[in-house]
This record gives sequence, structure tokens and C-alpha cells, in this order.
Amino acid sequence: GENVEQHPSTLSVQEGDSAVIKCTYSDSASNYFPWYKQELGKGPQLIIDIRSNVGEKKDQRIAVTLNKTAKHFSLHITETQPEDSAVYFCAASPTSSGTYKYIFGTGTRLKVLA
Amino acid sequence: SQTIHQWPATLVQPVGSPLSLECTVEGTSNPNLYWYRQAAGRGLQLLFYSVGIGQISSEVPQNLSASRPQDRQFILSSKKLLLSDSGFYLCAWSRGSREQFFGPGTRLTVL
Repeated sequence: GENVEQHPSTLSVQEGDSAVIKCTYSDSASNYFPWYKQELGKGPQLIIDIRSNVGEKKDQRIAVTLNKTAKHFSLHITETQPEDSAVYFCAASPTSSGTYKYIFGTGTRLKVLA
Repeated sequence: SQTIHQWPATLVQPVGSPLSLECTVEGTSNPNLYWYRQAAGRGLQLLFYSVGIGQISSEVPQNLSASRPQDRQFILSSKKLLLSDSGFYLCAWSRGSREQFFGPGTRLTVL
């Protein structure tokens, strides 16, 4: 079935360094890839997304890259700050879903050390 | 602007008791609605989704059910809770664009 693998499961970086989280998906027909940030006890918040007709998208310190051939996409956070500490989820949306169902990765717990 | 509400925020229930979690969306019409469950330290598992009033699709077999009595109201229910039903329940909505927006969640503990 459809599957999204996410690595690493935990990531610790020093404040100011960059963080990279990687995801691979199995359904080659997927064409929408959102990233969510979830703080403790709260619902996930959409932070950036990318569609399959784009290879890279950037929003201030956050960027996402997509390699459709390899079926993987990555989240890049530069100049990390303590408030970036959270759990990050990637997702892929298969085009066959119609209702835009997501297949989520298992999450990455990012810790930014001051 | 659109907002999504869930209640209660936390709930502790004994095994075998019933469950009713409610989700409402404001500021939009005819949204797609979703129920997810997140087990401790795990990802999000889609339980149900709805594209309209009375239209419910189930993604995984379980002792939970969902209903959509009104356009912007989505309810998650159970007649008899199991220990394995414990988790963080999230409601989400989408409309038109692909983005899904999540509510604040309900933490359910079954004892």
C-alpha cells in the first residue's frame, strides 16, 4: 500500500545550525507534499508545501525540495532557533484520493539546543 | 477567517464507556472533514473522512464511528471504549485547495 518513510526520528542541532529532514514515498502518482510542525499538546500546523510541478520552494528560513524521480522530498531549516523545536511531519497526497487524503510520515522530533 | 474547534480538550474514560468527540469548523462551507488518531510518539492515522453531510468513509476497521449531522460538524463516537482507543484525536478540514488544517486535538485516556 501507500507508504511514507521519514528520517531521522530524532534530530538535535545547535542553535544557528541547519536541520534537514527527509521523506520518501511509494505512490509515484502523489503530487502534493505538505510539511507540518506540531508543538507539544497541539494540533499540527502547516508550515510549507510543494506540488509536483515544482522542484524547490522557500519561505524565509524554511525550504522544501522534491525529487520526483527518486520519490523523495526534504525539509530544510536554516539558522535554527529554540522555537523551531517541535515534531515535524511530512505527508504525501496520492492523486487517486480525490478527497486529498494524506499519507503521513512517522515524524521527526527536532531539538534546537541553545 | 476559518477556525476549527474540538472539544473536549482532554477526556479520561473507563473501558467500556461510550465516547463522543465533536469538531466544528467556522468561516467556510462544504468542507471536507477528517478524523485522525495519533498514538504516543507516532504519526497520524486517518480514521474517517467526509465530503458532505451524511457521507462518511472509514479508513480502518475499529470500534469507532463518525457522523456528520451538519455541514460543519463532525462527530467521532464509540459505544464501548477499549484501552487501545487511547490517543490524541485530531480533526482537520480542507476545501478546494489541497491544504488540510488541523484543530487543537482531544487527548483521550481510557483506563
